[in-house]
Amino acid sequence: EVQLVESGGGLVQPGRSLRLSCAASGFTFDDYAMHWVRQAPGKGLEWVSSITWNSGSIGYADSVKGRFTISRDNAKNSLYLQMNSLRAEDTALYFCAKATANLGAFDIWGQGTMVTVSS
Amino acid sequence: SSELTQDPAVSVALGQTVRITCQGDSLRSYYASWYQQKPGQAPVLVIYGKNNRPSGIPDRFSGSSSGNTASLTITGAQAEDEADYYCNSRDNSGNHLRVFGGGTKLTVL
Repeated sequence: EVQLVESGGGLVQPGRSLRLSCAASGFTFDDYAMHWVRQAPGKGLEWVSSITWNSGSIGYADSVKGRFTISRDNAKNSLYLQMNSLRAEDTALYFCAKATANLGAFDIWGQGTMVTVSS
Repeated sequence: SSELTQDPAVSVALGQTVRITCQGDSLRSYYASWYQQKPGQAPVLVIYGKNNRPSGIPDRFSGSSSGNTASLTITGAQAEDEADYYCNSRDNSGNHLRVFGGGTKLTVL
């Protein structure tokens, strides 16, 4: 079964850091680009970051650039998101998503991990 | 960065056809993909590329594009189609950047 499972979310104070993980199974992880997408409570989807199969190209939304770092470990079939200098507006459910082979769509999603930034 | 604009809410009578649209400059260059999200669930890809449906998506879902507008059409809407729908495309600012529309809440009457 193709599956993505996020972990690492929780309650964190503003200015602190958190590292999210996404464990992939059921497909050849290092064949595909991967993404992080978030959804603030009651709001729409917001693309956060992407990384190609070999980590050769990486992109970030303006809202997180300079604070968040995406990475992957293909040997461990895992995707990561290091989040520094967290702000209240980073409070959201964070999803990892697998990219299709081409055309840039997100065909597999995890169930998400909740990050709450509050003092 | 690019922006994608969707109508916040659309309604359709059971069994009728509805079109959900997404507008943005990036759609002149890139295909949109469409996602269905029901409350408390992760999004599900329903349309990508020119008009491709992933396995398991009913053929009443179809996609099209013209100029700066992409459309998701549901022909013969069912009660279970009531959900939020989001479009997404590459961002004109860079190949590895993406952007979502604000979402459309579809109500099936």
